[in-house]
Amino acid sequence: EAGVAQSPRYKIIEKRQSVAFWCNPISGHATLYWYQQILGQGPKLLIQFQNNGVVDDSQLPKDRFSAERLKGVDSTLKIQPAKLEDSAVYLCASSFYGSSYNEQFFGPGTRLTVL
Amino acid sequence: RKEVEQDPGPFNVPEGATVAFNCTYSNSASQSFFWYRQDCRKEPKLLMSVYSSGNEDGRFTAQLNRASQYISLLIRDSKLSDSATYLCAVNIQGGSNYKLTFGKGTLLTVNP
Repeated sequence: EAGVAQSPRYKIIEKRQSVAFWCNPISGHATLYWYQQILGQGPKLLIQFQNNGVVDDSQLPKDRFSAERLKGVDSTLKIQPAKLEDSAVYLCASSFYGSSYNEQFFGPGTRLTVL
Repeated sequence: RKEVEQDPGPFNVPEGATVAFNCTYSNSASQSFFWYRQDCRKEPKLLMSVYSSGNEDGRFTAQLNRASQYISLLIRDSKLSDSATYLCAVNIQGGSNYKLTFGKGTLLTVNP
């Protein structure tokens, strides 16, 4: 079974530029998550989708970050404009359903460096 | 107080040693608990779910103490391949939604 796919794997941009990340979850997984992992920290949830609806975006910096999952399958996360502190790994995860005991499967992540 | 706190580490142990990681959580409404393993420059992978009665999987034992809001992971007979960062994660219910909150992780290096 194919895992969670993400692209690009690496991205280097200058501050104030824009960047977009793509995620394709495991087939059949209704719930999709975007996490930000800063070096030395655990992953922090940015946004959670259930099918194509947002169920939690309380930690998403909405002045610069946006995400969509229009058809309830793949998703994009955008940062516009980027700041130095956005340098991190952006992890996408999916689960069959967003319940308490559903295992989340993570993609390989996109490593973003903002110069 | 942070939602999920772990031993800061790092831990350096010889092969064959027993090592224990501890994690505390602040929200008493937390529903479920997990240990994830993250290798260097890789994604987190689920190692174990943690059940109220405690559970064991080979050399790994996880325990939960709801009264003290504390989770532990014990690794016996550690191998070189156990070297990784171990992340504690807690699922907290908010309305009809569950949110997974991670600790900072504890780095383990097993030395020959």
